[in-house]
Amino acid sequence: AIRITQSPSSLSASTGDRVTITCRASQGISSYLAWYQQKPGKAPKLLIYAASTLQSGVPSRFSGSGSGTDFTLTISCLQSEDFATYYCQQYYSWYTFGQGTKLEIK
Amino acid sequence: EVQLVESGGGLVQPGGSLRLSCAASGFTFSSYWMSWVRQAPGKGLEWVANIKQDGSEKYYVDSVKGRFTISRDNAKNSLYLQMNSLRAEDTAVYYCARARRVGATIFPYFDYWGQGTLVTVSS
Repeated sequence: AIRITQSPSSLSASTGDRVTITCRASQGISSYLAWYQQKPGKAPKLLIYAASTLQSGVPSRFSGSGSGTDFTLTISCLQSEDFATYYCQQYYSWYTFGQGTKLEIK
Repeated sequence: EVQLVESGGGLVQPGGSLRLSCAASGFTFSSYWMSWVRQAPGKGLEWVANIKQDGSEKYYVDSVKGRFTISRDNAKNSLYLQMNSLRAEDTAVYYCARARRVGATIFPYFDYWGQGTLVTVSS
């Protein structure tokens, strides 16, 4: 099974900051990686698929990069509504989700 | 607007059964793979099962194989999850998700999610 290591597990930042979350796969997954945002008590929301393709309606301050084993989600200029938990997910071979990154207000 | 509305969750004793439903609207249901994904209280996300557009292919996570059955009724725009022999570790919010296949992988990602329904397995 493919393992995903997501880091950091938590992150404190201020509005206007630029933040980066990283996921590393235990083997190459090409670009079959998605990123989701989840707010407390709500369903996950797709942000990015195919490692770098922005889902329709998602603000352009969100971006994804990487291929193979190393991937990043970058949020430029944090807004108040961005404070949430973020998950990466590989869909190259079955599914594995990262452990999540809780983005909190500093 | 894509809408997915789950129902059928509740409290059930270990060894019991439950059937979850997901009503879909706002898109051509029969054109999409569909999935169930769960989240134990305070924990991360875990994929549970997928079903192809015509129901001819179904995939499950190992921990539910032989106990859970995913199905769909395209005439009713509905997705189902029959859960038997439930265990305490099945306690979770269960999300219905629309799935999209892009590229060479046979595994679709999840582009829209319902609000979830809570299943609690406890005596």
